[in-house]
Parts: sequence; structure tokens; C-alpha cells
Amino acid sequence: DTEVTQTPKHLVMGMTNKKSLKCEQHMGHRAMYWYKQKAKKPPELMFVYSYEKLSINESVPSRFSPECPNSSLLNLHLHALQPEDSALYLCASSQVGREEKLFFGSGTQLSVL
Amino acid sequence: AQSVSQHNHHVILSEAASLELGCNYSYGGTVNLFWYVQYPGQHLQLLLKYFSGDPLVKGIKGFEAEFIKSKFSFNLRKPSVQWSDTAEYFCAVKSSWGKLQFGAGTQVVVTP
Repeated sequence: DTEVTQTPKHLVMGMTNKKSLKCEQHMGHRAMYWYKQKAKKPPELMFVYSYEKLSINESVPSRFSPECPNSSLLNLHLHALQPEDSALYLCASSQVGREEKLFFGSGTQLSVL
Repeated sequence: AQSVSQHNHHVILSEAASLELGCNYSYGGTVNLFWYVQYPGQHLQLLLKYFSGDPLVKGIKGFEAEFIKSKFSFNLRKPSVQWSDTAEYFCAVKSSWGKLQFGAGTQVVVTP
């Protein structure tokens, strides 16, 4: 299994909603990432978890809250988002220290109304 | 600061034409270089990568890239494109200490 699975594929939410994005991989990777990709733009790193510990937080607003409950799962909790947060949210995983070999999920297309 | 620039935002070409996408980076130290591809509706996939050794790197689907250290460039090439090569192509750079950084991407459209 060389897949990174993300759910849901699409999400529409209001600015007062609370929702969560989920990511799962069973490749034994101990590094997991959240990227944000706006249309026609490159992916931007948001968070990196290494051995289930948050190792990089790229100054992301607190309305985005990551969680890594175990080595296979990565969540991104969303609360009080803004319309400008609408984007494709990509999860990726790799072996620790092997960021050059990222496996990306298909992403969650998020629309904030 | 490390940066990556891709020269073209959009490229339109016919099947069987040759493709070359430019990528330049600004970092003087040791870097790892990558090209990723994102087909419509699909996730990012690694096309090829360069770490060291032969500066001409062969990737999947007939793509290759050449690392020219003196020009800080890592251009992607394919001698003869197919309609199925329609995708967005991202150059990416990782310094020995930094994070993986993507270029802005080039949208390639291959017409039949």
C-alpha cells in the first residue's frame, strides 16, 4: 500500500463551523505533512509531524489545529475559518529525514463560505 | 533566502513537440532538486530528482532534467510530448538544512 488517503475529498463550510480533515497512510512513514495549495500556486508547507510530534509549524493561524493521534493518522481541525482559507489541503508522508521522497494524498478541496 | 523560480506559467504545444521547462533556484550550497507533476484531478507525483552524480537525470514517462550548477538551473525536458502530458509541473528545491520549496508551477497543455 503506497497510498496516502485523505477524507473528505470536498468540504464546504461556513465561517462558524468546526470541521476536521483526515489523512491516513500505512507505509510506516513517521513524518507527515500538511500543505495548502491555492489555485495556480505551489503547495505551501503548513505543519510537519515527526514521530507524532509537531516539528515544524510555519506560523499558521490558530484557526488551523493539527493533530497526530498515531503514526498512521494525521488530522487538521478547522474552526472559524475565513473565505481566503479556501484551498486544496494536501497531506503527505515520508520516512523521517527523507522529505525528498514525499507521497502526497489527493487532497481535500475546501470552500469556506 | 532560498527561492525557486519557474520561467513560464503556461505552455501550450502540440503532440510530438518538444518540451522544455525552466527552473532556477537561488541557493549557493548543496541542494536536492526535484520535478513534481500534478495531472488534472490527481495528487502531486515525483517525476524525477537529482541529488548528486550525473547531472542529466532520467525520470518517468520519458522526462529528463539537467542540473547546471553554474547556472543554478534544473530544466525539465521531454523530446516528444503526448496529450497525456497535460498537467501542472512544479520544480522544487531542498537545501541540506531547509524545507522543500516549490516553484510557482507551469501549466502545460498539449493539444492533439
